[in-house]
Amino acid sequence: DVKVTQSSRYLVKRTGEKVFLECVQDMDHENMFWYRQDPGLGLRLIYFSYDVKMKEKGDIPEGYSVSREKKERFSLILESASTNQTSMYLCASSQTRGSGYTFGSGTRLTVV
Amino acid sequence: AQRVTQPEKLLSVFKGAPVELKCNYSYSGSPELFWYVQYSRQRLQLLLRHISRESIKGFTADLNKGETSFHLKKPFAQEEDSAMYYCALRGSQGNLIFGKGTKLSVKP
Repeated sequence: DVKVTQSSRYLVKRTGEKVFLECVQDMDHENMFWYRQDPGLGLRLIYFSYDVKMKEKGDIPEGYSVSREKKERFSLILESASTNQTSMYLCASSQTRGSGYTFGSGTRLTVV
Repeated sequence: AQRVTQPEKLLSVFKGAPVELKCNYSYSGSPELFWYVQYSRQRLQLLLRHISRESIKGFTADLNKGETSFHLKKPFAQEEDSAMYYCALRGSQGNLIFGKGTKLSVKP
């Protein structure tokens, strides 16, 4: 089974802090994605990456950046956390662009 | 525009009743559609995809290009089907575009 591991299940951060959310997959998948999940809004794509050192903006990239230095790791960075970034963050990976996704268990971030 | 619409936020049925979760999409070209499910406190997982035409846990979904729909159906709902269901469309960049989700509640 492919595993997508998100380093933290719960995080509480203060407004203005720089926050790193880490995601690691263990099956050599090419593609990785970051979504945020909010009640009534579904999943919204923040950033994605189809290769190492490559990144593409999704639908809501403002306030976020990403890093993919190694194939297995995709980090989401909140440059200066704000309360409206309180959310569940989901990482996913896929083997090819035509594959379905495997999701991590999510990181629930609270910004106070 | 590429969009997925799930018109129902919440669907409540009794055990043994048929269930249909609606999904409509907007996409120019040949669409690729998925249903994902999230059970309580579990990660989101793939339920089925239209190109495989398989039935998982008794659920089926048929792509209707004329109505631009991909509704999820099950003839007899079970309590363990209670979960959040998301319909997804593969966008032109290859990423998945998700609907807002429908929470299915199956009452005993």
